[in-house]
Amino acid sequence: SQQGEEDPQALSIQEGENATMNCSYKTSINNLQWYRQNSGRGLVHLILIRSNEREKHSGRLRVTLDTSKKSSSLLITASRAADTASYFCAESNFGNEKLTFGTGTRLTIIP
Amino acid sequence: GAGVSQSPSNKVTEKGKDVELRCDPISGHTALYWYRQRLGQGLEFLIYFQGNSAPDKSGLPSDRFSAERTGESVSTLTIQRTQQEDSAVYLCASSLKFRDSTEQYFGPGTRLTVT
Repeated sequence: SQQGEEDPQALSIQEGENATMNCSYKTSINNLQWYRQNSGRGLVHLILIRSNEREKHSGRLRVTLDTSKKSSSLLITASRAADTASYFCAESNFGNEKLTFGTGTRLTIIP
Repeated sequence: GAGVSQSPSNKVTEKGKDVELRCDPISGHTALYWYRQRLGQGLEFLIYFQGNSAPDKSGLPSDRFSAERTGESVSTLTIQRTQQEDSAVYLCASSLKFRDSTEQYFGPGTRLTVT
């Protein structure tokens, strides 16, 4: 099955710095979503960006989408220790309710 | 309940035994999904329900895996004759189907260990 790729696979930054994670996907999307996962259990939805949108903000989160490059980025500003988690992008395709998840970025915020 | 719940939270079973994993979606959510996540890896789609029917079973890894949903509510994922490679966290999610949005709400998962 197709699966997006995220980079970096792991990222460690100092608290207060900004964190940027990138996601590439392979198909034509309806929308692209970002999720956070703490401690290898349930995922929490963060933000959804539609294929006709280029940028979206939610609190300290900023997501961009470039459909010509089939890529998206997630920026977390002013990072906090509580942001330590794994972050996954997930692509939603037209006519298909299934989400295809990327491989994830493990983010560690150093206090 | 306020969110998606799954039971058991942890399950240890011997190779060859059958296991049943349960998911209770958010009330009113018509779509329900099962995923598998092996240690340190991304989510692997298993099966999706719209109502009680499963239009997409393409992700089930073998005929040892099956799932059902009743009353447009609870779903059970059954793994027969478990193998060690079945060890993973099994995650369930539900969504409220409306036009062009497929935001999913996840349960805490069931950690399955096959010894």
